[in-house]
Amino acid sequence: NAGVMQNPRHLVRRRGQEARLRCSPVKGHSHVYWYRQLPEEGLKFMVYLQKENIIDESGMPKERFSAEFPKEGPSILRIQQVVRGDSAAYFCASSPSGRAGNEQYFGPGTRLTVT
Amino acid sequence: GESVGLHLPTLSVQEGDNSIINCAYSNSASDYFIWYKQESGKGPQFIIDIRSNMDKRQGQRVTVLLNKTVKHLSLQIAATQPGDSAVYFCAENVSGANSKLTFGKGITLSVRP
Repeated sequence: NAGVMQNPRHLVRRRGQEARLRCSPVKGHSHVYWYRQLPEEGLKFMVYLQKENIIDESGMPKERFSAEFPKEGPSILRIQQVVRGDSAAYFCASSPSGRAGNEQYFGPGTRLTVT
Repeated sequence: GESVGLHLPTLSVQEGDNSIINCAYSNSASDYFIWYKQESGKGPQFIIDIRSNMDKRQGQRVTVLLNKTVKHLSLQIAATQPGDSAVYFCAENVSGANSKLTFGKGITLSVRP
């Protein structure tokens, strides 16, 4: 029973390059969340998506960041023109329902390092 | 602003002792709370949850207590084991909003053999 899959697990990018982070939710889950974790900090909500729809992007930086969850395939978090401050662990979670009070299952994360 | 926060950054306990990890929240609209455990290099792992219509919930070796009057949440781990060493986060969710979670900063639990 596969859980949430994320790849790559580690990603190194030079300043100005693009980073693409992929997330495959638990089979049957159609709700995906992205969180960012800076060193020594808790997770911060970025965006919540349902298949082909962005439901809540209140935690996404206004520029350079975008997310999608197409009808087929994984959810993608895309960071354009990365800067050193983007270095963090990015976690994806999925749930079977978007209703409040439902457990979210987390992936192992992608650790992005910007040099 | 409203936030979920933890009182202590680290907690060191002797193996076999009970551990208590505390969390304060300030959003009075929050009505669903979760404790997560995060081991080094891994994603958060669900431990136990509680809804605001309860004040106590028990799992295997873990108990979560909720005091809505003072907006306080605690996680009790009985007979702490070396495998319990990790960072623990409390998270909250507001009913009526969508299901995004607000996390506290985390507390490191270190178990001494």
